[in-house]
Order: sequence, then C-alpha cells, then structure tokens
Amino acid sequence: DIQMTQSPSSLSASVGDRVTITCRAGQRINSYLSWYQQKPGKAPQLLIYAASTLHSGVPSRFSGSGSGPDFTLTITNLQPEDFATYYCQQSYTGISFGQGTRLEIE
Amino acid sequence: QVQLVESGGDLVRPGGSLRLSCTGSGFAFSDYYMTWIRQVPGKGLEFLSYISGTGNTIHYADSVQGRFTISKDKGENSMYLQMSSLRVEDTAIYYCARPLRGGGISDAFSIWGHGTRVTVSS
Repeated sequence: DIQMTQSPSSLSASVGDRVTITCRAGQRINSYLSWYQQKPGKAPQLLIYAASTLHSGVPSRFSGSGSGPDFTLTITNLQPEDFATYYCQQSYTGISFGQGTRLEIE
Repeated sequence: QVQLVESGGDLVRPGGSLRLSCTGSGFAFSDYYMTWIRQVPGKGLEFLSYISGTGNTIHYADSVQGRFTISKDKGENSMYLQMSSLRVEDTAIYYCARPLRGGGISDAFSIWGHGTRVTVSS
C-alpha cells in the first residue's frame, strides 16, 4: 500500500485565516489524490478530487494543488464550519488515506 | 436521491462473526465499484475492501484478508461484509462508500453512508 503522510497532525487557526495542509505520497500517484472533511459523528465529505478539482457544492475557499509527491489543501478565509478533521486519500494503486489533520479554533 | 445506508453493526465477542449490509438508492450498484472503509473512534480512515460492479473483481486490505468477505446482491442494490474471527481491534465504525464516477476504483468517494458501529468485546 502507498503510504500517505499528512502534516501537520493538528493546527489551530482563527476565523478569517488561511491554512494549508500537506499530504506526501510514499510513491508516485500522479493526480489520484482526494481531500475529505470530516466533522464529529459524521461521515467524511468529499472536497477535492484529482488533486485540484473542487467537488460540486464545495465552497471556493477550498483549493487543492500538487502533482506528487507533495499535495496541498488550502482553505482561505476560514469559516466557523471549517473547523474539522481533513484527510487525503490516494487511489492510484489501491486505496489509502493519510492519518488526518485536525483543524481547531485558536 | 443518491444515498447509502449501512446496517448490521452490533456488539460481538472476540472470535465471533457479524454481517454488515449496505443498501443503496438512486443509482445502480452494477455501475460502480463499492467499498467498505472503517474508522476506529478517534482515529483515521482505513480501507477494507472493494467489489466491482459486476462482482468479478474483489480486493481486500491485508488486515482483513482471509477473515472478511465482501459480496453484493445486484437485484437488491445491496452489498455485504461478512466478518469472522473478529478481534478487539476490529472495533470501529464501518462505512460503505461509492466512487464519484462509475467504471473504476481509482477515484474519490463522493457518496458515504452514515456508518454502522461494530464493537468487539468480551
């Protein structure tokens, strides 16, 4: 399985801030990289697929970039509803997830 | 409306068995690979298994290979996960998920069920 490493594991930010989360793939994955948001007690929700394509209905303050091995999720103008845990996932070979990044209110 | 609903989670003794179900609506299971993913409470997401639309292609994570069996019932638009030789470390919330697009597994998961809780404890 391809190892996916996210950093940081957690971060604190304030409403209105810009934050970046990084996901490093252990080997080549081309652009088969997706990002999810998960809130407590809920299933993950797809934010971005193919590294940089915004899923339908996702606010434009979310963006993704990168082409391997490093990918980034950027959230600009943080809103109260954005405080959650974020996961990256590769689907190039098999399926594997990063360990998650918890975004907390500062 | 496209949705997935899991069921079958329960409290089970170590070494026991359990069968989870995932029922879909608003789309045809035959058009999509379907996947089981689990999450230990407070921890990350772990891929478990997928099955192709035809049911002819199946893959398991090493952690469940030989203990879990995935299957599907095309007529009922349902998928199952038969779990045996359960261990304490199998305690988790189990989700079924569907890729964004039909035809392959190399995709993002755009549809998730709400999850069903499995607790393995003596």
